Amino acid sequence: AQSVTQLGSHVSVSEGALVLLRCNYSSSVPPYLFWYVQYPNQGLQLLLKYTSAATLVKGINGFEAEFKKSETSFHLTKPSAHMSDAAEYFCAVSDGNAGNMLTFGGGTRLMVKP
Amino acid sequence: NAGVTQTPKFQVLKTGQSMTLQCAQDMNHEYMSWYRQDPGMGLRLIHYSVGAGITDQGEVPNGYNVSRSTTEDFPLRLLSAAPSQTSVYFCASIGSGNTIYFGEGSWLTVV
Repeated sequence: AQSVTQLGSHVSVSEGALVLLRCNYSSSVPPYLFWYVQYPNQGLQLLLKYTSAATLVKGINGFEAEFKKSETSFHLTKPSAHMSDAAEYFCAVSDGNAGNMLTFGGGTRLMVKP
Repeated sequence: NAGVTQTPKFQVLKTGQSMTLQCAQDMNHEYMSWYRQDPGMGLRLIHYSVGAGITDQGEVPNGYNVSRSTTEDFPLRLLSAAPSQTSVYFCASIGSGNTIYFGEGSWLTVV
């Protein structure tokens, strides 16, 4: 069984500040890990994914995430927040087998203050 | 290339009514799934399919039926709607590299 925990359902940062959204997972096999972003009343957009290649994964919109096996973490970061980053972010895990579905965390709503 | 298309986008149902959420993909993906999204709970898997004619239950299947008669279509049926089924529903298909493609979502309110 696999699970995902996102620490902090709401995170608030000032524009230009570092964004750090935390994700810890559990998986009995080497995981595939994903971050998705959802803007209000829209679907989910893939930000980035880890599939056992480089541990530091770069995604769209300046986001990146680092896979740390020892900490079972896959935290999402962005050096400088922009107002347009305000959205809900979801971390998800898959065991990588074709057809196996994602297990999602509860989501973190990012608010960016001017 | 339309990707994953869901209809309707918004729907209001009365308790006890039935309805079908439609989902179609044009990417020839074998794997498709339905999730529901509720505040603070992320997305939870309702049903999934690994190919035409094959479906299976996910985490929260009660009150929902699915079928997969073609590769392209994966409709989700609410048999007798309940207020607890008020949610946002997402259809998804899985492509190469285990990348999931989501539809735009269907906002359902049961009154």
